[in-house]
Amino acid sequence: GEDVEQSLFLSVREGDSSVINCTYTDSSSTYLYWYKQEPGAGLQLLTYIFSNMDMKQDQRLTVLLNKKDKHLSLRIADTQTGDSAIYFCAETEDSSYKLIFGSGTRLLVRP
Amino acid sequence: GAVVSQHPSWVICKSGTSVKIECRSLDFQATTMFWYRQFPKQSLMLMATSNEGSKATYEQGVEKDKFLINHASLTLSTLTVTSAHPEDSSFYICSASRGVGYGYTFGSGTRLTVV
Repeated sequence: GEDVEQSLFLSVREGDSSVINCTYTDSSSTYLYWYKQEPGAGLQLLTYIFSNMDMKQDQRLTVLLNKKDKHLSLRIADTQTGDSAIYFCAETEDSSYKLIFGSGTRLLVRP
Repeated sequence: GAVVSQHPSWVICKSGTSVKIECRSLDFQATTMFWYRQFPKQSLMLMATSNEGSKATYEQGVEKDKFLINHASLTLSTLTVTSAHPEDSSFYICSASRGVGYGYTFGSGTRLTVV
């Protein structure tokens, strides 16, 4: 089955850039997503990328996709304390339409 | 647009009772809704996919008789945890989609505690 993996924890200083990485196994993934989850809350869609794209930028967020290596990354520029949360990457494929989540990366932003 | 309301936000129930969780799409018609379970500090595990008017499709290892899902209309899906036990305590999250290519909108989650 599909497998999506992420590093568990990342700590950065306020103002620095954060890079959260994700690897996936399903080569038929059509859309890849990044979600943010704050404590006790649901998921907030941050951005997504279609599988035929290499990069997508949206304000402070930059998504890079290396389809050959099945590697996805999320870069947050000028990281703020309000960015502290858990970040999940997720993939979906044409055939099943199910959204499969990675293990989540806990981002801690230090003042 | 694309707002999903999930109720209740939290619930405490006694062992052996049943609990119903509602997931409503407020401003769009959701042809497909998904139910996830999340244990503390873990990822979201897909439990089942439900399409309006048809039976839910459960993931392997999820008990159909324990977790009853009803998707009676294009704006409402319910998850009923029957005969709840302490091991059913978890954070349950729904998501809704109007179709392929439209993305997924998540509810705010329900924290269930069974005592």
